[in-house]
Amino acid sequence: GAGVSQTPSNKVTEKGKYVELRCDPISGHTALYWYRQSLGQGPEFLIYFQGTGAADDSGLPNDRFFAVRPEGSVSTLKIQRTERGDSAMYLCASSLTSGLAQDTQYFGPGTRLTVL
Amino acid sequence: TQLLEQSPQFLSIQEGENLTVYCNSSSVFSSLQWYRQEPGEGPVLLVTVVTGGEVKKLKRLTFQFGDARKDSSLHITAAQPGDTGLYLCAGDRSAGGTSYGKLTFGQGTILTVHP
Repeated sequence: GAGVSQTPSNKVTEKGKYVELRCDPISGHTALYWYRQSLGQGPEFLIYFQGTGAADDSGLPNDRFFAVRPEGSVSTLKIQRTERGDSAMYLCASSLTSGLAQDTQYFGPGTRLTVL
Repeated sequence: TQLLEQSPQFLSIQEGENLTVYCNSSSVFSSLQWYRQEPGEGPVLLVTVVTGGEVKKLKRLTFQFGDARKDSSLHITAAQPGDTGLYLCAGDRSAGGTSYGKLTFGQGTILTVHP
């Protein structure tokens, strides 16, 4: 596809369950970002990958959150023991290269996570 | 503490009116971006401003970056119902040409343009 894709588009789970959210970046983009957006708010940074490695994970709220990008393309955001406060839109973005200022990030449509 | 403060938070106007959205910070940004987001979709980049004092125009939208690179504004002339959406400013606190790799977003302005 031409853009960033995210699956699933919606995820409803129960408190305490484990969830995985997937992001397929634009082909050839080396940088990948995860953000979380609560209703009526702007996105908040979670983690940034340059290639396979997490260059900055300072936005992950606690150790229940983890993300991987094993082959430098697709990334998975993993949330353990979900809590109701984790309910939000999870956005993924990718950029062609990073380490360069003003590099445009292209966002996917997001995954709406609801924890009951 | 919100690093980027956007105002107003909500804006409801009639078609044909003009409006301005503000994005302010006490921090300096190497670049500032404006996005528009529609319900159920990710943000879409409208413009990136880089140089202090820079003004960019995109049809009826005018974007300005403050001289000190701490603030920005978005002005829409003759708003149309199709302009309805969430407008977000986002700053990149890069230094020396090296990106920190993350954007800091404002809380957004929800614009509704009534026919």
